[in-house]
Amino acid sequence: DVQMTQSPSSLSAFVGDRVTITCRASQGISSFLAWYQQKPGKVPQLLIFPASTLQSGVPSRFSGSGSGTDYTLTISSLQPEDVATYFCQNYYNAPLTFGQGTKVEVK
Amino acid sequence: EVQLLESGGGLVQPGGSLRLSCAASGFTFSDYALSWVRQAPGKGLEWVSGISSGEGIHTYDADSVEGRFTISRDNSKNTLFLQMNSLRAEDTAVYYCAKHVGQSYYHYCMDVWGNGTTVTVSS
Repeated sequence: DVQMTQSPSSLSAFVGDRVTITCRASQGISSFLAWYQQKPGKVPQLLIFPASTLQSGVPSRFSGSGSGTDYTLTISSLQPEDVATYFCQNYYNAPLTFGQGTKVEVK
Repeated sequence: EVQLLESGGGLVQPGGSLRLSCAASGFTFSDYALSWVRQAPGKGLEWVSGISSGEGIHTYDADSVEGRFTISRDNSKNTLFLQMNSLRAEDTAVYYCAKHVGQSYYHYCMDVWGNGTTVTVSS
């Protein structure tokens, strides 16, 4: 199984800050990498796939990059509505696996 | 509008069974793979089972549920199912139904999720 290691597990930043979350796969997953946002008490929402393409309707302050085993989610200017937990996901092969999540808070 | 609506959750004793359903609308149901994903209280996301499009010939179950859970689909009713047997306390979670963006449960991520149904396994 592909293990997904996400870091940090949580972060707190000011409105307007640039925020970066990383995800490392235990083996190459050929950019079959998705990012999901889960706001408190809500359903996960697809943000980015594969690796760097924004899902329709996602604000342009979100971006994704990476290849092989290492991937990054960046929020260029953190907004209050971005408070959420973010998960990366390998969908290269089964079983599909998620990172443990990064909880983003606003200071 | 694409929608997924789960049902069938509840409180069950250890060793018991439940059958979850997921009613879909707003897309051609048979054209897409589907999955069940669960989230234990305060925890992260865990992929449980996936089923391919069409007749659902290809399925996959996570090791944690293999031999106990069975995923299936009824394209005539636009409904996805998860039969859960031999339930354990560690199966307690919110169970989400999710649609993939293509025919397979791998190589295609999940773009639409239901609101979830809660399963609690406790005596």
